[in-house]
This record gives sequence, structure tokens and C-alpha cells, in this order.
Amino acid sequence: AQSVAQPEDQVNVAEGNPLTVKCTYSVSGNPYLFWYVQYPNRGLQFLLKYITGDNLVKGSYGFEAEFNKSQTSFHLKKPSALVSDSALYFCAVRGLVTGGGNKLTFGTGTQLKVEL
Amino acid sequence: GAVVSQHPSRVICKSGTSVKIECRSLDFQATTMFWYRQFPKKSLMLMATSNEGSKATYEQGVEKDKFLINHASLTLSTLTVTSAHPEDSSFYICSVDRGHYEQYFGPGTRLTVT
Repeated sequence: AQSVAQPEDQVNVAEGNPLTVKCTYSVSGNPYLFWYVQYPNRGLQFLLKYITGDNLVKGSYGFEAEFNKSQTSFHLKKPSALVSDSALYFCAVRGLVTGGGNKLTFGTGTQLKVEL
Repeated sequence: GAVVSQHPSRVICKSGTSVKIECRSLDFQATTMFWYRQFPKKSLMLMATSNEGSKATYEQGVEKDKFLINHASLTLSTLTVTSAHPEDSSFYICSVDRGHYEQYFGPGTRLTVT
């Protein structure tokens, strides 16, 4: 079975500073990895994905993530944080659902708080 | 990106009654949709996979008789919480499998059972 760990419940960063939100994964076979963002009382918005290819994946709103196979990590990064980036971030890995198909297994989420 | 809507966005019902939540894929014909449940400040838990024209596939521990899922068309899946109880209060989110390894999520429905 696949799993995702987000070791930090909350990350605080000053606006303009770089941010990193950590994610490690465990999965059999090739990992399909995702980052989603959730604003209060809203659904999840897709940020980026890693399927294959370059280890550095660029996504929406200036976010990027680096796939590291040896460390089984997929950390989310942004060079310069904005206050509007404050939200709940989920890392996810794709695997098999009961009876076939594919499902996402989510980490527990990391609350990002960007302050002036 | 894909547009997925949910209705209602919020619902309050009395214990023992049933409530239906709709999930619509507005710009994509979805053979597969997913239903998730999210507790406060917690991750999403997959409840079931909704397959158009066939029975839903439920995750282990999810009561299929309590959480009825119907996927009658390529654009609509419904989740009915039957005989709701306060412990069913939660945030329910659907998603659409659009292929290319991506899911697009609805805005969620906040269910409160009193």
C-alpha cells in the first residue's frame, strides 16, 4: 500500500522569503506524485504533478517541486512567498483503488502561513 | 482546469433524515468520480469510487448502505447520506478523474447533522 508523510503540521515564512513544504512517500513501482492546495471551506486545487521526466516540476502560481528518488521525497518549493499563498497544502501519491482504477492517497496536510 | 460543482455547499439536517449531495462535471464527461470525506484540520479520506453505469466501489470500512452513491450519467454523481447522525457531520468533497493522472475537485459540501 502507498503512503505519504508530511512531517510538518505548519510552516511559517515571511513574505518574500523562499518556502519549502516537505513530503516523503512510499509506493510500490513508479511513483505518481501530486501537490494540491486547499483554501478554507473550499475543495482542492491542483498545483503540480510528477509522472516521469525531469526531477524538477514546475506548476501553478510559481510553485515547483523536486522529485528525489533516493530520498523518496517530493518537496514543494517557491522562491518568494506571498501572503496569498497561506493555505493548506496536501501531497498525494497515486495508486490502485479497491477493484481497479486509480486513487490518490493524501498526506495529512501542512498549513502554510506567510506573514508580512 | 476542469470545472466541478457540488450542491449544496452547506446543508443542515436533523438526525435520522437523509441528505443528497450532487457532484457535477461541467465540462468533461466523467466515467469515474471519487467521493472523499474530510474532518477538521485532517486529510482527505477516500470513501468510494463512483463508476458511471455501474455500482460504486467502496473503501474498506465505509458503509455502502449508509452512503449511497449513484452515477447515473457522465456528468453527475450523487452521494446520499441515509439516516444521518451527528457523527456524519463532515466536509464531503468529490473529484473527477480526467485522465492524464489528474483529478479535479469540487468545492465541497459542509454537512451538519443536529
